[in-house]
Amino acid sequence: SQKIEQNSEALNIQEGKTATLTCNYTNYSPAYLQWYRQDPGRGPVFLLLIRENEKEKRKERLKVTFDTTLKQSLFHITASQPADSATYLCALLSGGYQKVTFGTGTKLQVIP
Amino acid sequence: DGGITQSPKYLFRKEGQNVTLSCEQNLNHDAMYWYRQDPGQGLRLIYYSQIVNDFQKGDIAEGYSVSREKKESFPLTVTSAQKNPTAFYLCASSISGGGLYNEQFFGPGTRLTVL
Repeated sequence: SQKIEQNSEALNIQEGKTATLTCNYTNYSPAYLQWYRQDPGRGPVFLLLIRENEKEKRKERLKVTFDTTLKQSLFHITASQPADSATYLCALLSGGYQKVTFGTGTKLQVIP
Repeated sequence: DGGITQSPKYLFRKEGQNVTLSCEQNLNHDAMYWYRQDPGQGLRLIYYSQIVNDFQKGDIAEGYSVSREKKESFPLTVTSAQKNPTAFYLCASSISGGGLYNEQFFGPGTRLTVL
């Protein structure tokens, strides 16, 4: 069956370090992969999209990689700040309609 | 000020009652979506609509209904047939359903509690 896995345990890191979050998937052939940020009680906010033929995408302190062989995406936040504390969701787009399927998210806590 | 709005933010209903959640967008987006989020779970797609007067079932459509009579509006009705309706409901829109234009803009959500 199709599955998207994100680390369900919270990730705690020290301010200034690089946070790395993982999104693994099985039985998908996604054309695109997205990352969103969600704060408690609010709707997710889009961060980055990466295509299947792109290895890496950057935006300011954010970097996303997409390895279709490993069926994995890594999401990095460099020089992390307490304001980066949130839940981060990955989402896959596949199928004729480009149906979006979300992972369960990983909660990141940046400690001052 | 463009965006997507949902109302109300909190909604309480008695078991057995139908309830309609509002979703409006002024982004001129063609595609709109409804998701449900339960604690510890990801967003699950209920219904989506690529254009006016057309909508498709998502993964968990049973017990829900929608309409798309206007481009800017996509209301969701939670019917009494939905066995476990208490959840956080999120509406989203995107320019279109296609890949590169599928960046989804989410509303603030409606937290529905059925007593």
